[in-house]
Amino acid sequence: DIVMTQSPDSLAVSLGERATINCKSSQTVSYSSNIKNYLAWYQQKPGQPPKVLIYWASTRESGVPDRFSGSGSGTDFTLTISSLQAEDVAVYYCQQYYSSVTFGGGTKVEIK
Amino acid sequence: EVQLVESGGGLVQPGGSQGLSCAASGFIFSNYAMGWVRQAPGKGLEWVSSIGDSGSNTHYADSVKGRFTISRDNSKNTLYLQMHDLRAEDTAVYYCARQVSGMYSWFDPWGQGTLVTVSS
Repeated sequence: DIVMTQSPDSLAVSLGERATINCKSSQTVSYSSNIKNYLAWYQQKPGQPPKVLIYWASTRESGVPDRFSGSGSGTDFTLTISSLQAEDVAVYYCQQYYSSVTFGGGTKVEIK
Repeated sequence: EVQLVESGGGLVQPGGSQGLSCAASGFIFSNYAMGWVRQAPGKGLEWVSSIGDSGSNTHYADSVKGRFTISRDNSKNTLYLQMHDLRAEDTAVYYCARQVSGMYSWFDPWGQGTLVTVSS
C-alpha cells in the first residue's frame, strides 16, 4: 500500500499570510504515460464532511477560491493557501488514487 | 443538487453486525463508482471500500476485508455497507462518497456521515 505522509501535523499562520502543507507518498503516484499525478486535496471543517479542493494534484475544483493551489509530482506534493482567511481554519488531507486509495494523516491549520 | 444521505449507524456490541445505507439523489447513480470512508473520533480519514458503477467490481481495505461487504442497488439509487464481526476499532463516522472518475479516484461529494459505535 502507498503510505501518504503529511507535514506539518499542524501550523498556525497569521491572517493574510501564506500556509504551506506538504504531502509525501511512499512511491510515485504519477503515470509517465499520461503525465498525471493521482493526488487530491481535501478541506474538513469541524463537524462537516471533507470537501475536495484539488484533484490531479493541481486542478482546482469548481468554486474553490484561487488562493488555494496545488503543486508537485512523483512523490512530493504541496497545498498552498496564498493568503489565509479566517474561514480556511480546517484540517487538510491529501489522498492518492494511483493504487487503491489512501489518505494522509491530516494537517490542522489555525490562525496565529 | 447532488445529495448523499447515510443511515443505519448506532451502538453495536463487539462481534455484532450492522448495515449502513446511503441514498443518492441529484445525479445518475449508475454512472459512478461509490465508496465508504470512515473517521474514528478525533482521527483522520480511512478509506474502507469502493464499488464500481455496475456493482461487479469491489475493493476493500485490509482492515475490513472478509468482514465488510459493499453493494449497491442502482434501481434504488442506494449504496450499502454490511459490517460483521465488529470491533472497537471500527468505531467511526462512516461517510459515503461519490467517486468522480472510477473506483480509484477522488471523492466528491460526501454525505454527512453516520456514527457507528462498537461497545459493550
